[in-house]
Amino acid sequence: KAGVTQTPRYLIKTRGQQVTLSCSPISGHRSVSWYQQTPGQGLQFLFEYFSETQRNKGNFPGRFSGRQFSNSRSEMNVSTLELGDSALYLCASSLGGTEDQPQHFGDGTRLSIL
Amino acid sequence: DQQVKQNSPSLSVQEGRISILNCDYTNSMFDYFLWYKKYPAEGPTFLISISSIKDKNEDGRFTVFLNKSAKHLSLHIVPSQPGDSAVYFCAGSNTGNQFYFGTGTSLTVIP
Repeated sequence: KAGVTQTPRYLIKTRGQQVTLSCSPISGHRSVSWYQQTPGQGLQFLFEYFSETQRNKGNFPGRFSGRQFSNSRSEMNVSTLELGDSALYLCASSLGGTEDQPQHFGDGTRLSIL
Repeated sequence: DQQVKQNSPSLSVQEGRISILNCDYTNSMFDYFLWYKKYPAEGPTFLISISSIKDKNEDGRFTVFLNKSAKHLSLHIVPSQPGDSAVYFCAGSNTGNQFYFGTGTSLTVIP
């Protein structure tokens, strides 16, 4: 069974640009969550999508946005990039139903802002 | 506000001994907890979970203990192996869909 796939693995951008990251969840998983990981900060929750709707949202500025498609694939967009946006962006998927269940992570996209 | 805290950034243990990783949380509404292991250049890998209706859950060498009154959970690894060397994250949730993660503890198992 294929795991969570994130593309690209590495990305270099400059300040002011925008970027789109992609996440394909495990087959059958309908919930996709995005996290930002920076040194010393752990994983910070960005947002969660379920059935093409944003169901939960963390405390990030509006420059961070996302969407989910009918096949559960998700994209995250960051506009007007800042140096502080340099981080590892992780996507996680789960079945998303009412029962408690773990999230399964992809290997992340390493975004570097110059 | 860090709702989940891992106060030990690092831990070193001899191979074959027990590793104990600790995690504290502040949100009394959390009812589901996860532990993950992360190697460099890879995403976190799910290890074990525990629901608030339990105080212990075992899976092979891994056992998680939950003390709801103290808002504390711990992960025990017995016996520790060199391949267990990684960063361990705990996470809590009250919705099952939005998780709050600690900052991680780097475990080194010395052969």
